Amino acid sequence: EVQVVESGGGLVKPGGSLRLSCAASGFTFSDAWMIWVRQAPGKGLEWIGRIKSRTDGGTVDYAAFVKGRFTISRDESKNMLYLQMNSLKTEDTAVYYCFTTSTSELPWGQGTLVTVSS
Amino acid sequence: SYELTQPPSVSVSPGQTARITCSGDALPKKYAYWYQQKSGQAPVLVIHEDSKRPSGIPERFSGFSSGTMATLTISGAQVEDEGDYYCYSADSSGKGVFGGGTKLTVL
Repeated sequence: EVQVVESGGGLVKPGGSLRLSCAASGFTFSDAWMIWVRQAPGKGLEWIGRIKSRTDGGTVDYAAFVKGRFTISRDESKNMLYLQMNSLKTEDTAVYYCFTTSTSELPWGQGTLVTVSS
Repeated sequence: SYELTQPPSVSVSPGQTARITCSGDALPKKYAYWYQQKSGQAPVLVIHEDSKRPSGIPERFSGFSSGTMATLTISGAQVEDEGDYYCYSADSSGKGVFGGGTKLTVL
């Protein structure tokens, strides 16, 4: 089955850290440029960053708001994508999704909810 | 920073044609993608690479891009097409960006 499953969300205090995971299956993960996005409650979709495939250099680009707080990585051996989030702020509260435009057959997962609150 | 501009809302009667636009300076060189999101659900890809329809998406959904504007057209909109629609593309450096979303009402 072609799918991605996000996990790792939860409740964290401001200034804390979380690592989100995205398990991919059913498509050639190693060829895919993977993307993290988020959606704050009642708001639109917001692009966080993208990691290219290893064959395309594996480089990562981030949205301006990340400002060094988030790190995207991937493990080809496990078909896994990660988002390490540090120095979390209340405004980082959102549902986090991973997806790719490298294939049109991959449905989005249900996302993982991150709540930053004291 | 780069922006994609969409109308906040579009309203049509069932069976009418709904058109949702997305404007951005980089669209002449970057593909547009369209996502449908119904309340409480994850987004669903309805158009990729400007005009291609994924398998399982009804034929009434079509896309077109010319110059700095991409358009999603729903011919004969149905009540079940209601939801939020987002265009997605990239800026000149390859960073992704979403439009602000358009709420489609069919009633």
